[in-house]
Amino acid sequence: AQSVTQPDIHITVSEGASLELRCNYSYGATPYLFWYVQSPGQGLQLLLKYFSGDTLVQGIKGFEAEFKRSQSSFNLRKPSVHWSDAAEYFCAALRKGSARQLTFGSGTQLTVLP
Amino acid sequence: DTAVSQTPKYLVTQMGNDKSIKCEQNLGHDTMYWYKQDSKKFLKIMFSYNNKELIINETVPNRFSPKSPDKAHLNLHINSLELGDSAVYFCASSPRGGNTEAFFGQGTRLTVV
Repeated sequence: AQSVTQPDIHITVSEGASLELRCNYSYGATPYLFWYVQSPGQGLQLLLKYFSGDTLVQGIKGFEAEFKRSQSSFNLRKPSVHWSDAAEYFCAALRKGSARQLTFGSGTQLTVLP
Repeated sequence: DTAVSQTPKYLVTQMGNDKSIKCEQNLGHDTMYWYKQDSKKFLKIMFSYNNKELIINETVPNRFSPKSPDKAHLNLHINSLELGDSAVYFCASSPRGGNTEAFFGQGTRLTVV
């Protein structure tokens, strides 16, 4: 079955520290991959996406993600975290040619310490 | 201009009541969705409509009935509300084809008491 796994339920980092959120997918073929962020009481905002090509993708708010086919991973990174980055982060996948429903990971809650 | 808008943002109601959540998108997309986010923040597809036609109907109680009067609107009607229906419901839309993401509304937090 297709699935997206985010192994870390909760991550705490200090402001200014670097961040990496992990995401692994299990699909027959490489799906389209996304990272969304959900701030408290807010909807889902797309940070970045990977469809094909360059395996390092840049997103908004200084985030980037690297696709690694050999590891079935799409990890999200940021070199220096800001307090406003505290939020819930969701990795999602979309099977190519499907009816286009996203499969989400279970989310990673990010806490930023001052 | 809000791309995907849902109303209401908050909804508190008693068990047994019937309620509706409205969703509208002004992006010109062909496909619209309803997702449910449970208390553990897990997001799961409920329904998907393409040009007013139902194309995905996950295992959802038949008390939930989506209605798409036109391709810009996808409303969710829930009959005989139960405590377990308490969740955040997200509407989303995307173009029918091509490589692009889904755009989400702000969510509707439904609390059944």
